Amino acid sequence: GENVEQHPSTLSVQEGDSAVIKCTYSDSASNYFPWYKQELGKRPQLIIDIRSNVGEKKDQRIAVTLNKTAKHFSLHITETQPEDSAVYFCAALSSNTGKLIFGQGTTLQVKP
Amino acid sequence: SAVISQKPSRDICQRGTSLTIQCQVDSQVTMMFWYRQQPGQSLTLIATANQGSEATYESGFVIDKFPISRPNLTFSTLTVSNMSPEDSSIYLCSVEGDIVAGSYNEQFFGPGTRLTVL
Repeated sequence: GENVEQHPSTLSVQEGDSAVIKCTYSDSASNYFPWYKQELGKRPQLIIDIRSNVGEKKDQRIAVTLNKTAKHFSLHITETQPEDSAVYFCAALSSNTGKLIFGQGTTLQVKP
Repeated sequence: SAVISQKPSRDICQRGTSLTIQCQVDSQVTMMFWYRQQPGQSLTLIATANQGSEATYESGFVIDKFPISRPNLTFSTLTVSNMSPEDSSIYLCSVEGDIVAGSYNEQFFGPGTRLTVL
């Protein structure tokens, strides 16, 4: 079946460093890839997304890159801050069902 | 984005009872979904709530256990029936396709309902 693999499961960085989270997907026809940030006890929040017609998208300190050939996409956070600490989920929209397939999540810890 | 509310925010229930969770959106949306999230885990789709027809359930979830209603484009309910401790989880509604805003694909989540079954 369709799946999304996310790595790493945990990531610890020093404040000010960059963080990169990678996801691979199996559905080659998938065309929409959102990223969610979930703080402890809170709802998942959509922070950035990318569609298959572009290779990169930026929004201030966060960026997402997409490699359709390799079927992977990545979240890049620069100049990390303690408030970036959260669980991050990637997802891919299934071309078959129209539903999001979520990765397993990455727990990011930014140490002050 | 649309403002999504859920009631109750949390509850503690006895096994064998049922709980109905409400999801309200402040704008009309095309799609509404129900997810379950176990502690430390990813999001698992339970079903798609269809307006005016039966919900579409994912593998492993059945209507008798999780009846769903969606009477209009802004409201849905999920009932967790005949609960057992294994049903303890966070239940989240999500919405997609704000009709007024003309958005598509972007999916937004409600605040969740934390359910504990004793």
